[in-house]
Amino acid sequence: AQKITQTQPGMFVQEKEAVTLDCTYDTSDPSYGLFWYKQPSSGEMIFLIYQGSYDQQNATEGRYSLNFQKARKSANLVISASQLGDSAMYFCAMREVTGTASKLTFGTGTRLQVTL
Amino acid sequence: NAGVMQNPRHLVRRRGQEARLRCSPMKGHSHVYWYRQLPEEGLKFMVYLQKENIIDESGMPKERFSAEFPKEGPSILRIQQVVRGDSAAYFCASSPYIDSLKQFFGPGTRLTVL
Repeated sequence: AQKITQTQPGMFVQEKEAVTLDCTYDTSDPSYGLFWYKQPSSGEMIFLIYQGSYDQQNATEGRYSLNFQKARKSANLVISASQLGDSAMYFCAMREVTGTASKLTFGTGTRLQVTL
Repeated sequence: NAGVMQNPRHLVRRRGQEARLRCSPMKGHSHVYWYRQLPEEGLKFMVYLQKENIIDESGMPKERFSAEFPKEGPSILRIQQVVRGDSAAYFCASSPYIDSLKQFFGPGTRLTVL
């Protein structure tokens, strides 16, 4: 079974600074995908970034980058130049594809607070 | 290009009543997933459906919960005889095919059981 671990329940970062949100995973599948989602206080789930297990380069999407260390089984999210609007819950997730089924396994999340 | 739509956004039920949650996937998407988020927790997979078929219901509670995705119309998650522990946010996601990299999430339905 797949497992996602986010060890930081809460993080603070000053506006314009960079912040790293930790995520480690456990799987026996050779092929998998890792995702980060943002959940603001309004509740919706916003897709941020994706990393495939065979991707050679770390994924980047604007101010978001994923620090993928396969041997360590970690997929940390880096947010550069933090903005007040980045304050939200952040969830790391792993995609499992088995036969005809596909589902995401989520971590417990990290609450990020951006301060002035 | 409407996204995934869920309704109602908020639903209040008394213990013992039935809750019906609806999900309309994005246009062209034939794969639907339901997830549940308990307060202060991450999302947990419940069920994966394609049109007229339940593909994986390994995350569904054995009793009182059912899901369908008919040929026409939205996907429905039905909870019979609700209990307080069913209070949660229920999210629907859709994708165009099984290998799609992304699942597009709806805004969720927040169920409160009194």
